[in-house]
Amino acid sequence: EPEVTQTPSHQVTQMGQEVILRCVPISNHLYFYWYRQILGQKVEFLVSFYNNEISEKSEIFDDQFSVERPDGSNFTLKIRSTKLEDSAMYFCASSEDLTGGVEQFFGPGTRLTVL
Amino acid sequence: GNSVTQMEGPVTLSEEAFLTINCTYTATGYPSLFWYVQYPGEGLQLLLKATKADDKGSNKGFEATYRKETTSFHLEKGSVQVSDSAVYFCALIGGTGNTPLVFGKGTRLSVIA
Repeated sequence: EPEVTQTPSHQVTQMGQEVILRCVPISNHLYFYWYRQILGQKVEFLVSFYNNEISEKSEIFDDQFSVERPDGSNFTLKIRSTKLEDSAMYFCASSEDLTGGVEQFFGPGTRLTVL
Repeated sequence: GNSVTQMEGPVTLSEEAFLTINCTYTATGYPSLFWYVQYPGEGLQLLLKATKADDKGSNKGFEATYRKETTSFHLEKGSVQVSDSAVYFCALIGGTGNTPLVFGKGTRLSVIA
């Protein structure tokens, strides 16, 4: 069964460093998302991506964040200069369609720890 | 804006007990409603969904009914198993149909033998 994969599973970085979180969505999906969950808090939407551009982003997704689909398979989230409060679990998801009711398939997450 | 409120955990039950995890929502229009489950060390998996009022989603013995009058989507299972131990997330996609998932905080369920 096709699945979304994410690497690494755990990333530890120093404050101020750049990190890139990687995701491989399901191959025939067209819509890609990043969500994050700070420990003990809600899963929050960051950004959605379609046709090589951002289709929607939340207030969390400020200028420190960027997304890219550098090739036909990877979908990356870059945090330019990490802050302590960026420590969270980051989930990638993909779906065939943006229509409400269509399942978003999630990866296992990358736990980011900023020291 | 859209929001989801679900009961705080953790919930600890004995095997074969009845499970209810409450979920209420606030949304404009007619959202689609979901329950996702996260087993230890894994990603979020869709457990069930309902896309219109009075629909009942069901999967693996779990059920939830979309109640527009009470803006609720409570998750139930008649007899839980140890393998049901996981974190359960209630979520919605807003009425416009092309907005991101909005999640509740999640409820951790532990089932003991």
